[in-house]
Amino acid sequence: DSGVTQTPKHLITATGQRVTLRCSPRSGDLSVYWYQQSLDQGLQFLIQYYNGEERAKGNILERFSAQQFPDLHSELNLSSLELGDSALYFCASSVGSHRPAPNEKLFFGSGTQLSVL
Amino acid sequence: AQKVTQAQTEISVVEKEDVTLDCVYETRDTTYYLFWYKQPPSGELVFLIRRNSFDEQNEISGRYSWNFQKSTSSFNFTITASQVVDSAVYFCALSEGAQKLVFGQGTRLTINP
Repeated sequence: DSGVTQTPKHLITATGQRVTLRCSPRSGDLSVYWYQQSLDQGLQFLIQYYNGEERAKGNILERFSAQQFPDLHSELNLSSLELGDSALYFCASSVGSHRPAPNEKLFFGSGTQLSVL
Repeated sequence: AQKVTQAQTEISVVEKEDVTLDCVYETRDTTYYLFWYKQPPSGELVFLIRRNSFDEQNEISGRYSWNFQKSTSSFNFTITASQVVDSAVYFCALSEGAQKLVFGQGTRLTINP
């Protein structure tokens, strides 16, 4: 058990809808990351937050947004869903630092499997 | 641009065989970090090892060993005397100044009894 909790584990929804994925990082970790895993794109970095502030952005669509709350949990919001958004969405956390630390070990949650029908 | 290539999509071996998973990376930076993660059937990604670009020492941890060769931009992973529990998808990843991991496409390893 990595200590990172993601809910829900599975989500089935229809095209055009909006969903929210939730992540609770390991106790004491300040950085939260979101990754998308799909068959065609593989594992892609979406976005990172450190202590409530956006730290780095990857290939995140404009229809997607995220935030990290004062209690350090994070939410990933996906709107106007399309069939191609079906994927496994991972949250990861790390201790974090106010300076970028590319050597940090990430702890991943078990993911949210999103199916858009 | 950063890129990680795992040319072996799937590998299947019989238990107790040794198996090597290849990883080749591309980067323009002189300082970078390489990782291996394991994704068992349960789905979560599990950290295995981290190596920085200045440390070319090979590492052994039990049945696992890693061979980092900067000259060929490779960071290969060997499992000795494989076991059924080693069956998983293994990902190689690269991290540079920006704090994000670039993953390879993964190698699905199946160990048959």
